[in-house]
Amino acid sequence: EVQLLESGGGLVQPGGSLRLSCAASGFTVSTYAMSWVRQAPGKGLEWVSAIGHSGGATYNADSVKGRFTISRDNSKNTLSLQMNSLRAEDTAIYYCAKGDRRSGWAHWGQGTLVTVSS
Amino acid sequence: QSALTQPPSASGSPEQSVTISCTGTSSDVGGSNYVSWYQQHPGKAPKLIIYEVNKRPSGVPDRFSGSKSGNTASLTVSGLQAEDEADYYCTSFAVSNTLYVFGTGTKVTVL
Repeated sequence: EVQLLESGGGLVQPGGSLRLSCAASGFTVSTYAMSWVRQAPGKGLEWVSAIGHSGGATYNADSVKGRFTISRDNSKNTLSLQMNSLRAEDTAIYYCAKGDRRSGWAHWGQGTLVTVSS
Repeated sequence: QSALTQPPSASGSPEQSVTISCTGTSSDVGGSNYVSWYQQHPGKAPKLIIYEVNKRPSGVPDRFSGSKSGNTASLTVSGLQAEDEADYYCTSFAVSNTLYVFGTGTKVTVL
């Protein structure tokens, strides 16, 4: 059974950094495309970052380009999101999701809340 | 890249049908066969219900169907049931700097 479990969220001041992790089980993260999707409180979904299934090509939304970095640790079967220069508008629940443009995101974690506030 | 446009709300009585539109541009919906739909209940993670415009994942009832015409994709829920009351989001692969773009979301109410 595929399971995704995010961690690392919390309260951080504007300009600060945070690293989110997504522990995967039931599959190998290195062989699937993965994404981070966020949802601000009471708002809609927003795609944030993606990493390809092979070669590890990465992609970012314009809103986080140059500040967020997606990566994976194959030894730990984990997906990560390094978030720097955080802003109030980055406050959201962050979900990791397994899948790509063909399959859609068929598996999601439960999400981790990031709050950027002074 | 702007969000895809969905109606804020839609409603129907049990057993009726409701259709939600998702309008984009030729750079996303119109130029892609990779349109997906997600159902989200309050406090829960999204759930994939349609991928590649009109394909259903295993376990999703055939009451859910998808289609696309030009720059607009649509989700139809037939035979509405109480558990279909949720928020619905479309998303499309985009030929632009932004790889994926989501719709604005539609709240479906079962009357």
